[in-house]
Amino acid sequence: KAGVTQTPRYLIKTRGQQVTLSCSPISGHRSVSWYQQTPGQGLQFLFEYFSETQRNKGNFPGRFSGRQFSNSRSEMNVSTLELGDSALYLCASSLWGTNTGELFFGEGSRLTVL
Amino acid sequence: DQQVKQNSPSLSVQEGRISILNCDYTNSMFDYFLWYKKYPAEGPTFLISISSIKDKNEDGRFTVFLNKSAKHLSLHIVPSQPGDSAVYFCAARMSGNTPLVFGKGTRLSVIA
Repeated sequence: KAGVTQTPRYLIKTRGQQVTLSCSPISGHRSVSWYQQTPGQGLQFLFEYFSETQRNKGNFPGRFSGRQFSNSRSEMNVSTLELGDSALYLCASSLWGTNTGELFFGEGSRLTVL
Repeated sequence: DQQVKQNSPSLSVQEGRISILNCDYTNSMFDYFLWYKKYPAEGPTFLISISSIKDKNEDGRFTVFLNKSAKHLSLHIVPSQPGDSAVYFCAARMSGNTPLVFGKGTRLSVIA
């Protein structure tokens, strides 16, 4: 069974640009979550999608947005990039409504903003 | 406001000994607790979980203990192996499809 796939794995942008990251969940998983990992801050929740609808949202500014498609694939977008947006962006998929809510993570997209 | 806290950024243990990783939480509404392990350049992988109705869950070399009154959980690895060297994240969630809240992680180094 293929795991969670994230593209691109690495990218470099400059301040003010925008970026789109893509995530393909495990087959059969309809819930996709996004997390930002920065040194010293752990994993911070961005948002979660299920059935093309945002179900939960973390405390990030409106520059961070996402969407989910009918095949459960998801994208997140960051507009007007700032230096502080440099981070590892992790996507995770899961079965909606499980008791433990175990998440299956991709390898992440490492964004560097110069 | 950090709801899940891992106060030790790093831990070094000798191979064969016990590793104990600690985690504290502030939200008494958390119902499920999970531990994830992360190697460099890889995504976190699920290790073990525990429901708030239990105080212990064991899976091979890994045991998680939950003390609800102290809002504290710990992960025990015994015996520790060099391959266990990784960053360990504690995570918690409330019931009802709420997001997982993660701690900042503890870097475990198992020395041969």
